[in-house]
Amino acid sequence: SAVISQKPSRDICQRGTSLTIQCQVDSQVTMMFWYRQQPGQSLTLIATANQGSEATYESGFVIDKFPISRPNLTFSTLTVSNMSPEDSSIYLCSAEGLNTGELFFGEGSRLTVL
Amino acid sequence: AQSVTQLDSHVSVSEGTPVLLRCNYSSSYSPSLFWYVQHPNKGLQLLLKYTSAATLVKGINGFEAEFKKSETSFHLTKPSAHMSDAAEYFCVVSERSNTGKLIFGQGTTLQVKP
Repeated sequence: SAVISQKPSRDICQRGTSLTIQCQVDSQVTMMFWYRQQPGQSLTLIATANQGSEATYESGFVIDKFPISRPNLTFSTLTVSNMSPEDSSIYLCSAEGLNTGELFFGEGSRLTVL
Repeated sequence: AQSVTQLDSHVSVSEGTPVLLRCNYSSSYSPSLFWYVQHPNKGLQLLLKYTSAATLVKGINGFEAEFKKSETSFHLTKPSAHMSDAAEYFCVVSERSNTGKLIFGQGTTLQVKP
């Protein structure tokens, strides 16, 4: 199995600022993804993080708001830009195991925007 | 397009009694189906998955689910609830060709009473 570490685990931010969340996987994986879980809601896929190229965004999410990087196979970052209170959510990184195809999740980064 | 509906937002059972969490799905393709559990302030954990092998799938912690194509259902069951089962449960569907792009249900909160 893959262990996924996210930093920060939680943060409180001011409106208008940006925050970058880091995701590190302890083993080789194929695909990496970023999800958002708004308060009391289910998870929604933001984008697929592609190694060495631009991320693939889902409907309703754009690169200017959620820039994503994936410089290598086991590391990705998600930036939440120009934050507003509506961005207060848990952001989860996930990765697909190289041999199992199973999707593993980090514990999430809980973001509160004041 | 794929979708998943969890029929109960909240289920309450007594410790030692059976658990039933209901899930219906919609998919244009042969789906892969999953159940994930999320304990408070913890990451998501895979309970079990169906990928077109046996229709009765056994998972961790005594949980199992049965894939019923005629009913488009994938209900989660456990014969005897334990206090530690109290958590949020998500039914999830994905296209077989794109395992990482998961569609989450709205979640069912399982409460276990002593």
